[in-house]
Amino acid sequence: QSVLTQPPSVSGASGQMVTISCTGSNSNIGAFYDVHWYQQLPGTAPKLLIYDNTNRASGVPDRFSGSKSGASASLAITGLQAEDEADYYCQSYDVSLSAVIFGGGTKLTVL
Amino acid sequence: QVQLVESGGGLVKPGGSLRLSCAASGFTFSDYYMTWIRQAPGKGLEWVSYISNSGINIYYADSVRGRFTISRDNARNSLDLQMNSLKAEDTAVYYCARDSHNFDYWGQGTLVTVSS
Repeated sequence: QSVLTQPPSVSGASGQMVTISCTGSNSNIGAFYDVHWYQQLPGTAPKLLIYDNTNRASGVPDRFSGSKSGASASLAITGLQAEDEADYYCQSYDVSLSAVIFGGGTKLTVL
Repeated sequence: QVQLVESGGGLVKPGGSLRLSCAASGFTFSDYYMTWIRQAPGKGLEWVSYISNSGINIYYADSVRGRFTISRDNARNSLDLQMNSLKAEDTAVYYCARDSHNFDYWGQGTLVTVSS
């Protein structure tokens, strides 16, 4: 079981918006550690999507946005496209574990 | 452009050893921390280990501490992961990643299968 909790799956119609939550605790996100998001397309390596909670990585469309509040973070994707179908992972650091931590991942399906 | 290329994966018996390597290019390797991250088949991402740019500071996940050793050669732009006493649960694709406080570049991964 992951230290960061993500929904296993989300879905949305093409053109619509979805959000993916990432819930942590006072020893990671709530302790002011940054959250980063990664997109993993089928059969490929993960790719950095959002860093330091809200910043888009180079080349990432502005349809993707990140936010953080308290011990949770969220990834929002607007104007869903078929190419957005992928697994999405949040990542942070846990001071109690002295370890980098990932969420369990969320599979996005575009209907 | 930044490139990370892993090698050394394969099939190994439980209790065996394997050494993974990651060849880096396109950036000043000695300026960056580097990290190994793995992904078991059909599962999520798991951080394994990271090493500071100088090689002085090293950290391991509890699941591999005492069995895996990370190292780097800044002269050769190379990152290694020596894996000993391998277990079935170590079966995964192993990625090396550049650590910029986030993991901004990843290799394509190398598959390690631990099975008798």
